[in-house]
Amino acid sequence: KAGVTQTPRYLIKTRGQQVTLSCSPISGHRSVSWYQQTPGQGLQFLFEYFSETQRNKGNFPGRFSGRQFSNSRSEMNVSTLELGDSALYLCASSLGQVGVNEQFFGPGTRLTVL
Amino acid sequence: AQSVTQPDIHITVSEGASLELRCNYSYGATPYLFWYVQSPGQGLQLLLKYFSGDTLVQGIKGFEAEFKRSQSSFNLRKPSVHWSDAAEYFCATSGGSYIPTFGRGTSLIVHP
Repeated sequence: KAGVTQTPRYLIKTRGQQVTLSCSPISGHRSVSWYQQTPGQGLQFLFEYFSETQRNKGNFPGRFSGRQFSNSRSEMNVSTLELGDSALYLCASSLGQVGVNEQFFGPGTRLTVL
Repeated sequence: AQSVTQPDIHITVSEGASLELRCNYSYGATPYLFWYVQSPGQGLQLLLKYFSGDTLVQGIKGFEAEFKRSQSSFNLRKPSVHWSDAAEYFCATSGGSYIPTFGRGTSLIVHP
């Protein structure tokens, strides 16, 4: 069974731009969660989508948004990029509720904001 | 609010030696607890989890962890470390909100 895939793997943007990251979960997984990983803040939960609905949300500004499609694929969008948005963005999928079920992580998208 | 503390930023062990990585959590009720491992350039992989029941949990790759409510701890152990165990290890918890909270991670260095 194929694992979680994320595209692109690397991305360079400039301040003020917006970016869209994509995540394809493991087949059959309906929950997709997004995380931001930085050296300063560690690993932080952004949000979870289940059956195309946002079910949980972390403490991030509204510039961070996401969506999930009917095939469970998910996208994350960051508008008006700031230097502090430079991070590794991880996507994880699971069969059910995040925080209870095992999550399977993708390799991440490394975003650099210049 | 729930929180997780991993007191050790780096741990260095010799190959074949035993390992214990510390994790302390803060949550009023019985939390869900997890240990993940992250190799360079990779995502996280679940090693083991604790929800309830037996406080000694067995995981993959020869790892185990023990839940101690009195100490609010969930330490990860391995009797004999292999060079391939060198990685970043994260303890995580989720409480009533089901939102995962991760520790800052412990970097394991294995000397031959």
